[in-house]
Order: sequence, then structure tokens, then C-alpha cells
Amino acid sequence: DIQMTQSPSSVSASVGDRVTITCRASQGINYWVAWYQQKPGKAPKLIISGATNLQSGVPSRFSGSGSGTHFTLTIRSLQPEDVATYYCQQANSFLRGTFGQGTRLEIK
Amino acid sequence: QVQLVQSGAEVKKPGASVKISCKTSGYTFTTDSINWVRQAPGQGLEWMGWIGTYKGDTIYAESLQGRITLTRDTFTKTAYLELRSLTSDDTAIYFCARDRGIATPGLDYWGQGTLVSVSS
Repeated sequence: DIQMTQSPSSVSASVGDRVTITCRASQGINYWVAWYQQKPGKAPKLIISGATNLQSGVPSRFSGSGSGTHFTLTIRSLQPEDVATYYCQQANSFLRGTFGQGTRLEIK
Repeated sequence: QVQLVQSGAEVKKPGASVKISCKTSGYTFTTDSINWVRQAPGQGLEWMGWIGTYKGDTIYAESLQGRITLTRDTFTKTAYLELRSLTSDDTAIYFCARDRGIATPGLDYWGQGTLVSVSS
């Protein structure tokens, strides 16, 4: 199975900061990565599909990049409502859809 | 609008089985697949399995092989998860989610979650 290693496990940043979360796949998966935002008590929300595609309604301060084995989620200017846990996922439907361990994002 | 509505909370004893439903609406059921994901209390997301709603083919997490069965009913547009031989480690919230495959790599709509508690 493909393993997804996400870092950091937690990050604390100030409002307006740039935040970057990284996900590495144990083997090349082209662009088959999705990023999710999960707030307490809620189902995860898809924010980036196919490594770089911002989902409708998601603020443009979120962006995704990467291909192959190295992927990043960037929040350009952190807002208080971005406090959440973020997960990457191997999103090729024909393979097991492993998630990263999650990154807990807090405001300083 | 796309909706995935799951069945209600379950309380089970160790060794029992549970079957959760995920009723879909607002899209063509057999066009997109369904994934199941669970989250133990205070833990991360664990992918459990995938079912192709057109043919009913499945892929399961290795850790659950032999205990999990995913099925679907194309007439009622409902997907099902059955998990057998439950232990306390299976206590979690279980989610179904739509998978559009190549069109949108990722799970774009999720059910509300079903809490399964396993306790003697």
C-alpha cells in the first residue's frame, strides 16, 4: 500500500501568516492527492482535489501544489476560521485511499 | 443537491456485527463510487474501503480484510457497510463519501457520520 506521510503534526501561526503543510507519498502517485479540512464535530471537507484544483466555494488563499511523491497545501494569509485539522489523501480510486496522519492548525 | 444520509448511532457488544447504510440523492448513483472512512475518538481519518456502485466491485483496507463487506442497492441508491467481529478498537464515527474518480480526485460529499460504540 501507498503510505502518506504528512508534516508537521501540528502548527501554530498568527493571523495573516503563510502556512505550509507537506505530504509525501511512499511511491509516485502523479497528481492523485486530495486535501481536506476538518473542524471539530464535522465531516471532512474537500478543499483541494487532484493536487491543485481548488474546490468551489473554498477561499482563494488556499492552494495546492506538487506531483509524484511531494505535495503541499498552502494557506497564503491565515484567518481565524482556518483553525482545523488538515489531511492529505491518496485519491486514486483504484488503490487504497490512505490518509496522512493529519496536521492540527492553531492560531497563536 | 447531493446528499448522503447515514443511519443512526449503534451500540454493540464485542464480537457482534454492525451494518450502516448511506442513502444518496441528488446525483446519478451508479456514476460515482462510494468510500467508507472512520475516525476513532480523538484520532485521524482511516480509509476503510471503496465500492464501485455500477458493478459492485470493492477494494478493502488490508487491516480490515475478512471483517468488512461493502454492498450497494442501485434501486434505493443506498450503500452499506458491514463490519463483523467488533472490538472496542472499532468504536468510531463512520462516514460514507462520494468519489467521482478521475473527474474530481477526492471525496467531495460526505455523510453526516454514524457513531458506533462497542462496549461490553
